[in-house]
Parts: sequence; C-alpha cells; structure tokens
Amino acid sequence: DAKTTQPTSMDCAEGRAANLPCNHSTISGNEYVYWYRQIHSQGPQYIIHGLKNNETNEMASLIITEDRKSSTLILPHATLRDTAVYYCIVNYGGSQGNLIFGKGTKLSVKP
Amino acid sequence: DAGVIQSPRHEVTEMGQEVTLRCKPISGHDYLFWYRQTMMRGLELLIYFNNNVPIDDSGMPEDRFSAKMPNASFSTLKIQPSEPRDSAVYFCASSLALPRGYTFGSGTRLTVV
Repeated sequence: DAKTTQPTSMDCAEGRAANLPCNHSTISGNEYVYWYRQIHSQGPQYIIHGLKNNETNEMASLIITEDRKSSTLILPHATLRDTAVYYCIVNYGGSQGNLIFGKGTKLSVKP
Repeated sequence: DAGVIQSPRHEVTEMGQEVTLRCKPISGHDYLFWYRQTMMRGLELLIYFNNNVPIDDSGMPEDRFSAKMPNASFSTLKIQPSEPRDSAVYFCASSLALPRGYTFGSGTRLTVV
C-alpha cells in the first residue's frame, strides 16, 4: 500500500504557482520523498526527490516540513503542459528500489 | 540519449498466445523495473533487476509471467499463455544506483482478446 495521502484533484490557473500537498506521516528517517508525474498515455516522469532539506531543480521545488510528515511540490509557473497526474512516493532509495505508486493528484491547469 | 526503449508500442493478441515485451534500458543504468498499469489497479511493480539479477519478483501475478535480463542492455517480459485480464500498459524503467529517479519508457499497450 502507498504510504502517502494526496488530494484526488486540483485546479490551477495558467501562469500561477501550483502547490501540490502530500502527507506521509509514517515516513521513517531514511526514507526519501519522490515526486513523479504522468501525462496522459505517457510513461511516468521523474520530477524531484529529497530527504530532509528543501530541493529545487529546473522543473520544480520540493518543500519538506521539519518533522518530515508532509511535503509540497511547487511548480512555480504552471503551463497547460503541466496538466498531469502527480505522484508522491516515499522510499528508502537504497537496495529496496520498489517505488509504490498510489493514485496521485490529477492537476488540471486552466487558461 | 534515446532513453528507455520499449517494443512493441502496441500488441494485440488472442487469448492463449505467448506475448513477449522488450526493453532496452539507458546505458550504464544498474536497475531495471517492469511495471503494469490498469485503470482498476493503477501502476504496479512486477519485478526489478539490479545488475541483471532479479531482486524482487513478488509483484509478478502468477506463473504465466516471467522476466529475464540476459545482459545489461536488454530485458524481456513474457506472458504465456496470455489472458484477457492481462490487458494493460506495461512500462519498463531504468535507474542509476538509487536513490536516483527512474526513467520510464513509453510503454507497451497490450490487448488480449
């Protein structure tokens, strides 16, 4: 079973920041938080991951709370092409490589 | 870099036939994963390999499914005999040593009639 809880769906206006929340209250100290997205009929796409510190790359920012029980993925300027299902996953990142995908959040970016 | 390459993109077969799905991971990646996606069950991990060795096959639904990785640049997922309930999109993914992100292929859409 997925160890995360995400809203089923969210809307965002084009050009605005999209903030996608994720709860992972049972996360253990050596588990990472990963974010992937899946645009319709394509394979999932890796976005970002983090352990304790906030992370930023060319696609997004990941904000992890100090107690690590929740996180937020931020798309700073959402475009129509960001419409997708976004998955938040926790995993050891070590030899146990099996990412377990939940149902994710369907983000709809609207003009 | 061509990414993870899967073939065929689409496969339609009759119940009882053998189906072989193929995957070429990104060169240099140590890990290879096979996932299956359906509307009802979402994305499910079937099996994954590390350095060509199967590590966890607990997600393989039954003995009709088998996966091999004869070398670092090729893997197959075989279903024999196929059944209509095997209809799904099958994704292959590869990764460098964890905790890196995975790169997924475009998938094979399998329809068993």
